[in-house]
Amino acid sequence: GQQVMQIPQYQHVQEGEDFTTYCNSSTTLSNIQWYKQRPGGHPVFLIQLVKSGEVKKQKRLTFQFGEAKKNSSLHITATQTTDVGTYFCAGGDGNKLVFGAGTILRVKS
Amino acid sequence: DAGVIQSPRHEVTEMGQEVTLRCKPISGHDYLFWYRQTMMRGLELLIYFNNNVPIDDSGMPEDRFSAKMPNASFSTLKIQPSEPRDSAVYFCASSPGTAYEAFFGQGTRLTVV
Repeated sequence: GQQVMQIPQYQHVQEGEDFTTYCNSSTTLSNIQWYKQRPGGHPVFLIQLVKSGEVKKQKRLTFQFGEAKKNSSLHITATQTTDVGTYFCAGGDGNKLVFGAGTILRVKS
Repeated sequence: DAGVIQSPRHEVTEMGQEVTLRCKPISGHDYLFWYRQTMMRGLELLIYFNNNVPIDDSGMPEDRFSAKMPNASFSTLKIQPSEPRDSAVYFCASSPGTAYEAFFGQGTRLTVV
């Protein structure tokens, strides 16, 4: 079945440094979504990408969808302590969302 | 709308007991998903419903797990009998469609001792 791999599992950065998490699917996706889960909280939707090669920005966050629609990335510029949490990608195949394992981000101030 | 509502928020039960988790999706959402989250396995899709009909239950770990959606505003996930390895946070999520964002409930933290 469809698998979504996400790397790295964990990243600890100094406040102000950049952060990137990568997502790879075993199959071509119809769409990819990104979620953020704060410690002790529940996943909250950030954004959805649908088109091949699409790039979207939300303030310091940049999201990309690969040309083959099998991979995606989330880049955070100049991390802040409020960015801590787990970032999940979720690949859609037209029927369901399959989540990656998530990348845990810790920010040292 | 109050969002997706799950109950209970926390459940501690003894091994062998039956556990029932409840979910009220957002009104008007046709899709309902049950996920399980553990440190070891991450966020796993257990089952999802479309218009109250179970579509894919391939993620249900074993026959001890069952899920129902008797109407558009209510779903249950039942574990009988429960085992310590079932300890996890169980999330319910609903969505207007598969191309739309999923709205998660607060989750139920289940501990089986």
